[in-house]
Amino acid sequence: DGGITQSPKYLFRKEGQNVTLSCEQNLNHDAMYWYRQDPGQGLRLIYYSQIVNDFQKGDIAEGYSVSREKKESFPLTVTSAQKNPTAFYLCASRVDGSYNEQFFGPGTRLTVL
Amino acid sequence: AQTVTQSQPEMSVQEAETVTLSCTYDTSESDYYLFWYKQPPSRQMILVIRQEAYKQQNATENRFSVNFQKAAKSFSLKISDSQLGDAAMYFCAYRTRNSGNTPLVFGKGTRLSVIA
Repeated sequence: DGGITQSPKYLFRKEGQNVTLSCEQNLNHDAMYWYRQDPGQGLRLIYYSQIVNDFQKGDIAEGYSVSREKKESFPLTVTSAQKNPTAFYLCASRVDGSYNEQFFGPGTRLTVL
Repeated sequence: AQTVTQSQPEMSVQEAETVTLSCTYDTSESDYYLFWYKQPPSRQMILVIRQEAYKQQNATENRFSVNFQKAAKSFSLKISDSQLGDAAMYFCAYRTRNSGNTPLVFGKGTRLSVIA
């Protein structure tokens, strides 16, 4: 089945530790996105990548880093510089074309203790 | 920068009734796309309906329809014959029309409850 997978579904980390969230897609999509969702805040863009080895900062990139070494993979690292990392993280991808649907993964709930 | 505003944090509707969720947006562009996404308790985002700004005809998908008012920059979602499965967060989103893969800009969402 084609789709986007995010692992793990729930992730717990101690304060001060870096953590990497996985996002893999087998849809052959060029563009991939990371969003953060907090209650009452909607979805806010962290980073996005339109092509392999290229990515752009979104609205709330501080404290996060990404890489795009393969078309299928777009991992997100939450660093210790992120002040309030506890949130729900959504990965998405889309084939080229503005009208095309943006598909989402099931999300990862990160809790920093 | 474009912004999307959903002024109703929460809404409720009786089963089988009709409900309208509001969305306004701010842009200086004339050509763009608008979307409504649904996020049920599973938290999986699902596309409900989309509209191309250059099309005057309002989009419809079964029980879901939109009222697109370009001059007013308004894009409301109407759900007819509401069902228990419609209970979810609903997000309005905007995307500019260009050749790149620009991200969606989302509103803060409206939580819809359906009362049996």
